[in-house]
Amino acid sequence: GQQLNQSPQSMFIQEGEDVSMNCTSSSIFNTWLWYKQDPGEGPVLLIALYKAGELTSNGRLTAQFGITRKDSFLNISASIPSDVGIYFCAGGLNLLRGTSGSRLTFGEGTQLTVNP
Amino acid sequence: DAGVTQSPTHLIKTRGQQVTLRCSPISGHKSVSWYQQVLGQGPQFIFQYYEKEERGRGNFPDRFSARQFPNYSSELNVNALLLGDSALYLCASSLDLGDYGYTFGSGTRLTVV
Repeated sequence: GQQLNQSPQSMFIQEGEDVSMNCTSSSIFNTWLWYKQDPGEGPVLLIALYKAGELTSNGRLTAQFGITRKDSFLNISASIPSDVGIYFCAGGLNLLRGTSGSRLTFGEGTQLTVNP
Repeated sequence: DAGVTQSPTHLIKTRGQQVTLRCSPISGHKSVSWYQQVLGQGPQFIFQYYEKEERGRGNFPDRFSARQFPNYSSELNVNALLLGDSALYLCASSLDLGDYGYTFGSGTRLTVV
């Protein structure tokens, strides 16, 4: 089945630093999403990407959909303590958009720790 | 507005027992998906339901079943529980079948002993 390799597994950074994490796949996806999960909560959608090559920002977050459709990265600029959490990438392959479902394949997550 | 609500939040079951988990989607959302998240891993797709019909199934045994009701709420049933079924079970709702803009609930933490 499809596998997503997410790296790094964990990061320890100082407040104010920039962060970059990425996700690669052995097969293509036509949608990439990035989620953040806090302890005891479900994942929260941060950014959704729907076109190869697309670069999208959401505040201090920027994500890109790789041109090969097999990878994506997420950057966080000027990190703050509330950025702490687990970040997941997820890929979707909706072959018949709108009619064949929207299952997601998730990566293993990147645990981010921000030291004040 | 209420988000996706799941019940119960926690439960403990014994091997071999059966469990039913419940999910109420955001008002107006017609699609409900279920994911299993084992500790330290990413969520894994179990089912997607849309308009009361199963529209996707992940690689899970037949012990796992689900259904969606006319009000779009959903139940996930797991029979003959195994220790390996211990996980956080997440429900997510979205507007339509092909909508990836999921909103996840906080999950049900199932422990099988």
